[in-house]
Amino acid sequence: GAVVSQHPSWVICKSGTSVKIECRSLDFQATTMFWYRQFPKQSLMLMATSNEGSKATYEQGVEKDKFLINHASLTLSTLTVTSAHPEDSSFYICSARREGYEQYFGPGTRLTVT
Amino acid sequence: AQSVTQLDSHVSVSEGTPVLLRCNYSSSYSPSLFWYVQHPNKGLQLLLKYTSAATLVKGINGFEAEFKKSETSFHLTKPSAHMSDAAEYFCVVTSKRGAGNMLTFGGGTRLMVKP
Repeated sequence: GAVVSQHPSWVICKSGTSVKIECRSLDFQATTMFWYRQFPKQSLMLMATSNEGSKATYEQGVEKDKFLINHASLTLSTLTVTSAHPEDSSFYICSARREGYEQYFGPGTRLTVT
Repeated sequence: AQSVTQLDSHVSVSEGTPVLLRCNYSSSYSPSLFWYVQHPNKGLQLLLKYTSAATLVKGINGFEAEFKKSETSFHLTKPSAHMSDAAEYFCVVTSKRGAGNMLTFGGGTRLMVKP
C-alpha cells in the first residue's frame, strides 16, 4: 500500500513551452501533497505544499506563477512549469501524505528543457 | 527550526565490509527521523524511521540506525555492504508546521561499494 505515481517519468520540452507533471496517490487519499526539486548531485528542496481544494503554499524563492500547482482531488496533484527555460531542467519529485502517516514519495520526473 | 547534517558527502566501502553513514540533527521538537535511499534517476525509498519508540531501529535490506538524543545523532549502519547498496542516502527530520509534518533533508551521502 501507499503507492505514489508520477507521470511522465521523463519529459523533454522546448524553451518557452509549458509542461504538466502529474502526481497520484494510487491506493490512499492524500490530504497533503508536496513538490520537491532536486538538482544533480544535490538534496531535495521543497517547492510547495498543497492541500486538496486549497491554494498551494510556496516556499520562499519559488515563483508561484512559474510553477503552478493544482490539487484538484485527494488523489491527484499537478505541477505545471510555465514558459519553461533550460534552468528549469531538474528532477521533480512529489510526495503524498495522509493524516497520521509519513510522506510517501513518487518515482520522480526528469524535465529537460532544450 | 531544525536542520540535518550528513557529515560525509561520499563514503566508499568494499563489498562485505561494514557501512556507517553519519547524521546529526537539531530540532525544537521531539523529532521523528528517517533514512531514505535513492538509486540513480529513481524516487526515494524509505529505509527506516524513528518515531519515539525503540531507539535502535531496524529497516529494510539489513540497515539499522540508532537514535542518540544526547549526541543528537541518527547514524545509519549495515554490517556487510552489498554492491546493490550503492546509492544516495538521505537523513531526514520532521518539522511540525501548520497542518502537516514538513521534512527537512540532509545534503545526502553517496555510498560507493567496491568489489
